[in-house]
Amino acid sequence: AQSVSQHNHHVILSEAASLELGCNYSYGGTVNLFWYVQYPGQHLQLLLKYFSGDPLVKGIKGFEAEFIKSKFSFNLRKPSVQWSDTAEYFCAGTTDSWGKLQFGAGTQVVVTP
Amino acid sequence: EAGVVQSPRYKIIEKKQPVAFWCNPISGHNTLYWYLQNLGQGPELLIRYENEEAVDDSQLPKDRFSAERLKGVDSTLKIQPAELGDSAVYLCASSRFGQGGYEQYFGPGTRLTVT
Repeated sequence: AQSVSQHNHHVILSEAASLELGCNYSYGGTVNLFWYVQYPGQHLQLLLKYFSGDPLVKGIKGFEAEFIKSKFSFNLRKPSVQWSDTAEYFCAGTTDSWGKLQFGAGTQVVVTP
Repeated sequence: EAGVVQSPRYKIIEKKQPVAFWCNPISGHNTLYWYLQNLGQGPELLIRYENEEAVDDSQLPKDRFSAERLKGVDSTLKIQPAELGDSAVYLCASSRFGQGGYEQYFGPGTRLTVT
């Protein structure tokens, strides 16, 4: 079955540290991949997305993700986190334009001052 | 542009009671989704509407869950009767027609607690 999996459920790091969250998918063929973020008390927001083209995707707030087809991965990175990056991060994917998204379980990221 | 609106934000009910959630999508978005998010998990699609037609309800537990989108705008998701295991966050999302695979906009969700 098609699925999306995230490697870490909880990550704690200090401000200015680098962040990398793992995401793997099991789709064959063309895939659209996303990272969503949910800040405390807020709704899910799109951080970045990949459809085709340049496998290095840049999103909002300094985040980027790299699509590596050979590894079925779409890892999220930020070189220097801030306290305000404390949130839950979800990887998601779909193989159709109608958007039957499948989400990973999420990674709770806590950034300490 | 106003976002996806959901109400109520929180609901506490006793088991076996009915409950309903309401969603108003972004203006002009023909496609509406209902997702279920259990604690510690990512959202899972329950049903997708294209205008007023439910085009994918394969994950909706139809014995107790129902949904409607009568005029192709607002939608209501109902549970009757609720069970303890239904405690979760119910999310609504919307997208432009045929664009859900490219971007969906989520509402704040309704947190349901069944006691």
